[in-house]
Amino acid sequence: EIVLTQSPGTLSLSPGERATLSCRASQSVSSRYLAWYQQKPGQAPRLLIYGASSRANGIPDKFSGSGSGTDFTLTISRLEPEDFAVYYCQQYASSQYTFGQGTKLEIK
Amino acid sequence: QVQLVQSGAEVEKPGASVKVSCKASGYTFTGYFLHWVRQAPGQGLEWMGWINPNSGDTNYAQKFEGRVTMTRDTSISTAYMELSSLRSDDTAVYYCAKGAVPPGISVLTAFDYWGQGALVTVSS
Repeated sequence: EIVLTQSPGTLSLSPGERATLSCRASQSVSSRYLAWYQQKPGQAPRLLIYGASSRANGIPDKFSGSGSGTDFTLTISRLEPEDFAVYYCQQYASSQYTFGQGTKLEIK
Repeated sequence: QVQLVQSGAEVEKPGASVKVSCKASGYTFTGYFLHWVRQAPGQGLEWMGWINPNSGDTNYAQKFEGRVTMTRDTSISTAYMELSSLRSDDTAVYYCAKGAVPPGISVLTAFDYWGQGALVTVSS
């Protein structure tokens, strides 16, 4: 099983700032098979990024993904109040999909 | 528009089974894998497995092998997830989620639409 470790666990930033979230895999993951989701309290997750860097339908360009191998990053530029949520990375490179434990992005 | 509508909350006793449904609309039900993901209170997301609604083929997470059964009824575009031998740590919100691309393109895919979730509480 591929283990995904996200850091930091909690990120405290102010609106207007830039957020950088990390996802590290226990073994190399093809960038074609790495996704990021956003989840707000009481809601289902929402797909933001797939294939490590492709934005899903309707996702604004302030969200960007990058990385390869074992290290992946989600960057959110110009934070707005609605961006404060929990973010999960996911790998779907193997028949056993896994998620990271999540990064909570909170207002400072 | 694509919608996945799940059944309501359930309360079950330890050792019992629970069956959650997920009714799809707005797309070709048999054209995309349907995944199940759960989330314990205050915890992260845990993938449980997928079903190919076209063939009925399934692929379960190793953790749930032997305890989970995923089925579908194509006549009503509905998928089901049954979990047996329930324990207190099975208390969670259970989500269904649609694969983003058809399996003919890739069986490995992110999830582009999610159901609203169904809370299953296991308590004596």
